[in-house]
Amino acid sequence: KAGVTQTPRYLIKTRGQQVTLSCSPISGHRSVSWYQQTPGQGLQFLFEYFSETQRNKGNFPGRFSGRQFSNSRSEMNVSTLELGDSALYLCASSLTTGGLTRDYEQYFGPGTRLTVT
Amino acid sequence: GIQVEQSPPDLILQEGANSTLRCNFSDSVNNLQWFHQNPWGQLINLFYIPSGTKQNGRLSATTVATERYSLLYISSSQTTDSGVYFCAVVRETSGSRLTFGEGTQLTVNP
Repeated sequence: KAGVTQTPRYLIKTRGQQVTLSCSPISGHRSVSWYQQTPGQGLQFLFEYFSETQRNKGNFPGRFSGRQFSNSRSEMNVSTLELGDSALYLCASSLTTGGLTRDYEQYFGPGTRLTVT
Repeated sequence: GIQVEQSPPDLILQEGANSTLRCNFSDSVNNLQWFHQNPWGQLINLFYIPSGTKQNGRLSATTVATERYSLLYISSSQTTDSGVYFCAVVRETSGSRLTFGEGTQLTVNP
């Protein structure tokens, strides 16, 4: 079974531009979460989508947004890019959300490395 | 929010040595996972272990949920074990939101 895929893998943007990142979950997985990793802040949760609905949101400004499509693929968008948005953006998928079973063990994609100049 | 603390922050070993990484968390959790981040940044699943003990080859993990800690054991370490090891938890009321520790940077020298 194919793993989580993310596109593009690398991206260079200029301050003020916007960017869209894409994530395709493992087949059959319905939950997709996004994380930002920076050297200073570590790994931080951005948001989670399940069945096309945002279920959880981290402490990020409104410039960060996302959506999920009916096939569970997800996109995240960052508008008005700032230098501090340079980071590795990781997407994770799981079968479902919450609960007490193994069904929501999360699996990560390879990430998109965004550089803002 | 929930706090996740990992120790030690850095660990340097000679090939063949054993090591124990610790993860403490401040609240009840539904999910606990250990990951190894490879040099390209991808998080590789090691264990899904909200409680109990599991083993996979040279790696094993134990989570004592009532005492809010988890341990990752690496035996007979190899240079390919080098990298950052993360512990991440999901709080009971947080859906699938993973809260990560700061990680342990492991270096295994030949």
